[in-house]
Amino acid sequence: DVKVTQSSRYLVKRTGEKVFLECVQDMDHENMFWYRQDPGLGLRLIYFSYDVKMKEKGDIPEGYSVSREKKERFSLILESASTNQTSMYLCASSLSSWGGTGTYEQYFGPGTRLTVT
Amino acid sequence: QKEVEQNSGPLSVPEGAIASLNCTYSDRGSQSFFWYRQYSGKSPELIMFIYSNGDKEDGRFTAQLNKASQYVSLLIRDSQPSDSATYLCAVMGAYKYIFGTGTRLKVLA
Repeated sequence: DVKVTQSSRYLVKRTGEKVFLECVQDMDHENMFWYRQDPGLGLRLIYFSYDVKMKEKGDIPEGYSVSREKKERFSLILESASTNQTSMYLCASSLSSWGGTGTYEQYFGPGTRLTVT
Repeated sequence: QKEVEQNSGPLSVPEGAIASLNCTYSDRGSQSFFWYRQYSGKSPELIMFIYSNGDKEDGRFTAQLNKASQYVSLLIRDSQPSDSATYLCAVMGAYKYIFGTGTRLKVLA
């Protein structure tokens, strides 16, 4: 079974703090993703990575950065947390890169509910 | 027009009935289609994926894809109260996954 783990289930931070969210997958997947999920807005892609040290902006990258130093680990960084970044953050991974003949299903971690006060 | 559209529901069905969930998408080049189940407060869980036109069955679940009409559906047979959740449709186009906002399903005991 694919396992995607996230460092914290719940997190409370203050405005202006630097926040690190960690994600680890154990299935040697190529692609990793960070989403946030808000009521009525669905899942929105923040960043994704298709290889070590590679990253691509998603739909809402502003205020976030990412790091992928090892294949199994993908970190999301909030440089200076703001109250509008209060959300559920979901990490996902998938096996194959785009355009290949492999499988593309995404598997999600349990999520981190971040509250910024 | 949203790229992936789902009726938000709630869709209420009695226990034992067939639940039918629908999803339409706008990008004709989309190749891969996924259904996720999400319980309240939990993360999405993959339940089905389909790449070719037609039906794909897995236990009580059947995914149906019609690329000409640009819709994908999920049928849940013999619905159980434990199936009550939000079901997300996801579509993979070129270099991008797009998720619908989900349909809330309520199975009434």
